[in-house]
Amino acid sequence: ELKVEQNPLFLSMQEGKNYTIYCNYSTTSDRLYWYRQDPGKSLESLFVLLSNGAVKQEGRLMASLDTKARLSTLHITAAVHDLSATYFCAVAPGGGADGLTFGKGTHLIIQP
Amino acid sequence: NAGVTQTPKFRILKIGQSMTLQCTQDMNHNYMYWYRQDPGMGLKLIYYSVGAGITDKGEVPNGYNVSRSTTEDFPLRLELAAPSQTSVYFCASSYAGGPYEQYFGPGTRLTVT
Repeated sequence: ELKVEQNPLFLSMQEGKNYTIYCNYSTTSDRLYWYRQDPGKSLESLFVLLSNGAVKQEGRLMASLDTKARLSTLHITAAVHDLSATYFCAVAPGGGADGLTFGKGTHLIIQP
Repeated sequence: NAGVTQTPKFRILKIGQSMTLQCTQDMNHNYMYWYRQDPGMGLKLIYYSVGAGITDKGEVPNGYNVSRSTTEDFPLRLELAAPSQTSVYFCASSYAGGPYEQYFGPGTRLTVT
């Protein structure tokens, strides 16, 4: 059974600081997704990582994937208040149509 | 392009009642999914479909049924609602499996009392 663990689950940080969210998963997969969810809203796709060593950046967010370590990171650079949200990583267990297995999410609060 | 739409947005059910959650996508996606999100948790897969007439169970299918008669629609049926089905339900779609990302609808918040 595929398990996806994120840490930390809760993070409060100040604007301007850097931080990293970690996502570990338990079985082989080469597809990992990061989503953002604002309170009471749906999920917004941030990154799709498809191969070992993949790195993608969008603004102050950068995601990477190490399939050998079964680890993905989401790095936040010089955080701003607008990045406050819950961030989920999700893993696709196989090569087919199976749905995603999600982590519990990291609730991020960025204080001015 | 509306993307993935869901109705209703909110619903309160009494124990034992039944209802259908509607999901429609206008992106001509083949794959569609139903997830539930309990408070403070990630999403869990209920059912999925790779095309009209084809459905399969996910991680938490008990108490639910689905059908897929068209590419656009993927309704989720709750029979004999129970308090444990109180959750937010998200429908998602993707062009295919593999590298294609899933696009999520706005969700249906369901309370069973």
